[in-house]
Amino acid sequence: EIVLTQSPGTLSLSPGERATLSCRASQSISSSYLAWYQQKPGQAPRLLIYGASSRATGIPDRFSGSGSGTDFTLTISRLEPEDFAVYYCQQYGSSPRFGPGTKVDIK
Amino acid sequence: EVQLMESGGGVVRPGGSLRLSCAASGFTFDDYGMSWVRQAPGKGLEWVSGIDWDGDSIGYADAVEGRFTISRDNAKNSLYLQMNSLRAEDTALYHCARGDGAEYRWNVLDIWGQGTMVTVSS
Repeated sequence: EIVLTQSPGTLSLSPGERATLSCRASQSISSSYLAWYQQKPGQAPRLLIYGASSRATGIPDRFSGSGSGTDFTLTISRLEPEDFAVYYCQQYGSSPRFGPGTKVDIK
Repeated sequence: EVQLMESGGGVVRPGGSLRLSCAASGFTFDDYGMSWVRQAPGKGLEWVSGIDWDGDSIGYADAVEGRFTISRDNAKNSLYLQMNSLRAEDTALYHCARGDGAEYRWNVLDIWGQGTMVTVSS
């Protein structure tokens, strides 16, 4: 089974700064079946990125995903106030699984 | 409007059972695979179970295999999760989510419900 690790656990940044979140898989994820979700307190998760680098419908272009194999990155180019949230990566292959999450909070 | 609405949560004693439901609207339900994802209080997301559009392929997380049963009724646009032999560690908010395709695997979860809370406590 594929295990995902995310780093850092918490990222403290100011609005306007760049955020770089990492997701590493214990085995290569085929065909980049890697997604990123955003979750705010009291809300359901929202799909941001699928296929490692494709933005979901309605997602601003300040969000970008990259990577392949076992190493993936979510980048938020300039943090807006509404971007402070928890971010989860997910592999959606044969046995779907989520990473533990990275919390982006206000410095 | 595309929508998923869960129901059936509550407080149950360890060893007890509960059946969750998820009502889908605003899309052709039988075109999509579906999943249940849970979130324990203050914790992260955990995929629980998934089912293909026709119910022919089903999967479970190791933590619930043998205790939970997923099913769907396409005529009623509904997804279900029968939970037996419940444990304290099953306490969580249970979300249903739509896969972006006919299979529950190989497809991202693009639509989520707000969840229904399950508390297992004596």
